[in-house]
Amino acid sequence: AQSVSQHNHHVILSEAASLELGCNYSYGGTVNLFWYVQYPGQHLQLLLKYFSGDPLVKGIKGFEAEFIKSKFSFNLRKPSVQWSDTAEYFCAVNAGYGGSQGNLIFGKGTKLSVKP
Amino acid sequence: DAGVTQSPTHLIKTRGQHVTLRCSPISGHKSVSWYQQVLGQGPQFIFQYYEKEERGRGNFPDRFSARQFPNYSSELNVNALLLGDSALYLCASSFTGDETQYFGPGTRLLVL
Repeated sequence: AQSVSQHNHHVILSEAASLELGCNYSYGGTVNLFWYVQYPGQHLQLLLKYFSGDPLVKGIKGFEAEFIKSKFSFNLRKPSVQWSDTAEYFCAVNAGYGGSQGNLIFGKGTKLSVKP
Repeated sequence: DAGVTQSPTHLIKTRGQHVTLRCSPISGHKSVSWYQQVLGQGPQFIFQYYEKEERGRGNFPDRFSARQFPNYSSELNVNALLLGDSALYLCASSFTGDETQYFGPGTRLLVL
């Protein structure tokens, strides 16, 4: 069965620090990869996605992620975080074929706290 | 454009009752998926519906059921509620041919 691991439960950074959140998945076939963000009191929003092509994808608000197929990883990065990036971040995967596209598998999430 | 909408926003029920949660997808989206998010965990897939047919089901008991209407809105029903059903229930919609799912604000269910 597919699974997604997010290595950090809670990350605390100061403003302007660089961010990298780890995400590994277990599935041997073609996958679609997503990062979602949940700001306090708000609903899940899409940060970025990878379906195919350039493994380095850019999303909103200066976030980017790199798909490394050999490592089954899709780590999220941001060179300089802001206090407004305080949120919970979820990595998600689905199989990129057939009728199971609706089945997003989520990691447990990483809570990011940015100190002003 | 309106995003995915869900109703009600909050709900309190007692054990053994049933509940119906509602979802309206983004205009033009024909696929609706339901997820359960318990505190401290990521969302867990319950159902996907496309063109009013069930296309996928997660590892949930038969107490959970859903349906999709001709206007692509959807209902999630849960019978014989248990304390463990307390969670945030999320609905997501997607456009045909695009695997990106857009989430609603959720319905927070508390079972006492």
